[in-house]
Amino acid sequence: GENVEQHPSTLSVQEGDSAVIKCTYSDSASNYFPWYKQELGKRPQLIIDIRSNVGEKKDQRIAVTLNKTAKHFSLHITETQPEDSAVYFCAAIYYNQGGKLIFGQGTELSVKP
Amino acid sequence: DAGVIQSPRHEVTEMGQEVTLRCKPISGHNSLFWYRQTMMRGLELLIYFNNNVPIDDSGMPEDRFSAKMPNASFSTLKIQPSEPRDSAVYFCASSLDGSGNTGELFFGEGSRLTVL
Repeated sequence: GENVEQHPSTLSVQEGDSAVIKCTYSDSASNYFPWYKQELGKRPQLIIDIRSNVGEKKDQRIAVTLNKTAKHFSLHITETQPEDSAVYFCAAIYYNQGGKLIFGQGTELSVKP
Repeated sequence: DAGVIQSPRHEVTEMGQEVTLRCKPISGHNSLFWYRQTMMRGLELLIYFNNNVPIDDSGMPEDRFSAKMPNASFSTLKIQPSEPRDSAVYFCASSLDGSGNTGELFFGEGSRLTVL
């Protein structure tokens, strides 16, 4: 079926620590994997994405890794700050009927000062 | 560009009433998506359009839900009749790419629907 599994559902870290969120997908044809951040009461916004031709991408304190063989990808946030507190969604594109973005269930990240 | 514009931002209605949510995508974007967000089910894709044509409506929960995109700058999501379990935040999003979705989704601010 079309689903993206995301873990953990909640994550609490101390400021300065690292946070890792993991996702798995089922469509072996998927080739695009974005991550969205949603602050409380706001809209989801893209923070980083990766395509299947690379295994890792980094942008300052955030990085995403992709293992196409195992069909899983992860978000890594280093040196976390209180403003990183939000819900993070992973997503994968499913190529049934032209392609659509399916989101994971979300991870609520709390960074304690 | 003002981004994706949704209206209304908040809607409170009574069970059985018709609800119409509206969306104006970013100018030049040719894909439009309607998502529903709830605590229990997360972000669910209801339907998406490419060049104003509905491509996949398999996420529409039942016949009470319908969506239209009469032109490139306007879409509606209608619920008739509404039920309490339809209470959720409904997001509209648009993207620049063509068929398939490998580009950034730009979300509107959402329409929070409460059905009493």
